[in-house]
Amino acid sequence: AQTVTQSQPEMSVQEAETVTLSCTYDTSESDYYLFWYKQPPSRQMILVIRQEAYKQQNATENRFSVNFQKAAKSFSLKISDSQLGDAAMYFCAYREIQGAQKLVFGQGTRLTINP
Amino acid sequence: DSGVTQTPKHLITATGQRVTLRCSPRSGDLSVYWYQQSLDQGLQFLIQYYNGEERAKGNILERFSAQQFPDLHSELNLSSLELGDSALYFCASSVAGRSRTEAFFGQGTRLTVV
Repeated sequence: AQTVTQSQPEMSVQEAETVTLSCTYDTSESDYYLFWYKQPPSRQMILVIRQEAYKQQNATENRFSVNFQKAAKSFSLKISDSQLGDAAMYFCAYREIQGAQKLVFGQGTRLTINP
Repeated sequence: DSGVTQTPKHLITATGQRVTLRCSPRSGDLSVYWYQQSLDQGLQFLIQYYNGEERAKGNILERFSAQQFPDLHSELNLSSLELGDSALYFCASSVAGRSRTEAFFGQGTRLTVV
């Protein structure tokens, strides 16, 4: 079974600085999807960024980018120019291509932005 | 707004009772997923329905059941509730059979069992 591990329960960063959240996963599949979701205090799950495993190019969405290392099964999220609104729980998630195509989530990293 | 609607937003009930959580997926999405988010277990996959049929089961208790109706809305039934069932229950939907898209989440139902 696939597993996702986020080794940083909490992180903090100064406003306008850059922070990187770590994620590793385990799978025997060669093709899959990876996601980062943000959960602010409102509890809504918001998609931040996604990466297709068969694409070598790292995904980027404005201030958010990933470092996808397929061989190492690593998928980190970099947030540049951190803003107060970035404060939230961040979940890394794996989605299989076959079968149920369910999301498997990491335990989350709570990100605090210091003004 | 994700387009996925969950009702109710909050629910408080006593142990031993039964509740029903409702989810309306995004227009056109045939797949519905239910997840449970608790403090100690994180986000856990419960069950998936695709076009009215159960597709996959995860860590769903026997006291829990779900169904998806012809109009594609889904209901999650929780019975003989225990204190440990208190959690945030999410519904998510995605485009039919295509995993190369994200799942869109509803705002969740906060269940408190007292």
